[in-house]
Amino acid sequence: DTGVSQDPRHKITKRGQNVTFRCDPISEHNRLYWYRQTLGQGPEFLTYFQNEAQLEKSRLLSDRFSAERPKGSFSTLEIQRTEQGDSAMYLCASSHENTEAFFGQGTRLTVV
Amino acid sequence: QKEVEQNSGPLSVPEGAIASLNCTYSDRGSQSFFWYRQYSGKSPELIMFIYSNGDKEDGRFTAQLNKASQYVSLLIRDSQPSDSATYLCAVKESGGSYIPTFGRGTSLIVHP
Repeated sequence: DTGVSQDPRHKITKRGQNVTFRCDPISEHNRLYWYRQTLGQGPEFLTYFQNEAQLEKSRLLSDRFSAERPKGSFSTLEIQRTEQGDSAMYLCASSHENTEAFFGQGTRLTVV
Repeated sequence: QKEVEQNSGPLSVPEGAIASLNCTYSDRGSQSFFWYRQYSGKSPELIMFIYSNGDKEDGRFTAQLNKASQYVSLLIRDSQPSDSATYLCAVKESGGSYIPTFGRGTSLIVHP
């Protein structure tokens, strides 16, 4: 395990469907972050975990979004009742304590 | 609202020149500063981090931090066409949560 892994890499879904993304962080990293990035913008913070605890959520994270990190290992991000505005790259990053964060390859979501 | 500002560019430089990328931030208590490189359609890749005032050099890259003026810059010496990408500045906020906040990125084009 040499890096952060995200699955799937691409997801096309119809509006109104639910989708779930998975992130496997670097094994010794206790912090895990989810970001969303749209074209021409920098990554926007969604939520982060320290071990299994979800410590902060952005106001961007509407009630249709939920994230979990059971047992402080992998994390999932679920979007319910997807909307076209949810189309974006969803990025996961991990870090050890307060050190630098490393990103996974991202999951590109297209809502049609 | 903590903000990280970057000129979106594009910044165009000839091959072999020095590219200078700048970033300003609003949170005076910020402690950690990062530069990521992002190729089109890919996820951000960490290239430099700096915590103390002054310069930090790594190969062709130099990060410069001035906390009093609240800016951080990235210099790329001997620019190559392969350096053409978007460069994202990230700042870790103070106050305990240490969530990286990103600017929108500066597009760099190195032309032969």
